[in-house]
Amino acid sequence: GENVEQHPSTLSVQEGDSAVIKCTYSDSASNYFPWYKQELGKGPQLIIDIRSNVGEKKDQRIAVTLNKTAKHFSLHITETQPEDSAVYFCAAKGFGNEKLTFGTGTRLTIIP
Amino acid sequence: EAQVTQNPRYLITVTGKKLTVTCSQNMNHEYMSWYRQDPGLGLRQIYYSMNVEVTDKGDVPEGYKVSRKEKRNFPLILESPSPNQTSLYFCASSPGGAGYEQYFGPGTRLTVT
Repeated sequence: GENVEQHPSTLSVQEGDSAVIKCTYSDSASNYFPWYKQELGKGPQLIIDIRSNVGEKKDQRIAVTLNKTAKHFSLHITETQPEDSAVYFCAAKGFGNEKLTFGTGTRLTIIP
Repeated sequence: EAQVTQNPRYLITVTGKKLTVTCSQNMNHEYMSWYRQDPGLGLRQIYYSMNVEVTDKGDVPEGYKVSRKEKRNFPLILESPSPNQTSLYFCASSPGGAGYEQYFGPGTRLTVT
């Protein structure tokens, strides 16, 4: 089955700087890659996603890049703000099934 | 308000005592799924359902059962809970499967002693 690895597990960034979180996946046929943000005491919420026919997608300060050859995708947050502090999860959906496999999460702390 | 609800939010029980965690969504979503979240392991999918009477195993189905008799409800059943099932459980739904935005419930914190 699909295996998703996520790094780093913790990340501290000065407010205003950029943050990058990376994930690798094992199934070359995977075709959908979402990123979720989980705030303390809440369920995860989708912040951005990308499909396998696209290399990059942006939404204001957030961007995701996908390298299918290397089987990795990354989340980029620019001009970080205190409200960006949360746990972030990447995920991958395999081809031909409806399973969603998550990474182990990254705790992002924005230092004021 | 569009939402996924779970009950109970917190539960402490003893080994072997059958329990059910309910999940309900009001968005007419086809797909529903259960995950467990453990420190250092992220979210792991237990079971999912593409429609009424259609369920399938995720990555960690052992020790769990589900049913989908109505579109809006997807209960998680632990017939004989064990301490290794102590975890934070999330239900989620989406309009079109795992390849679409998952809407998560608030979570159920389960402790099995």
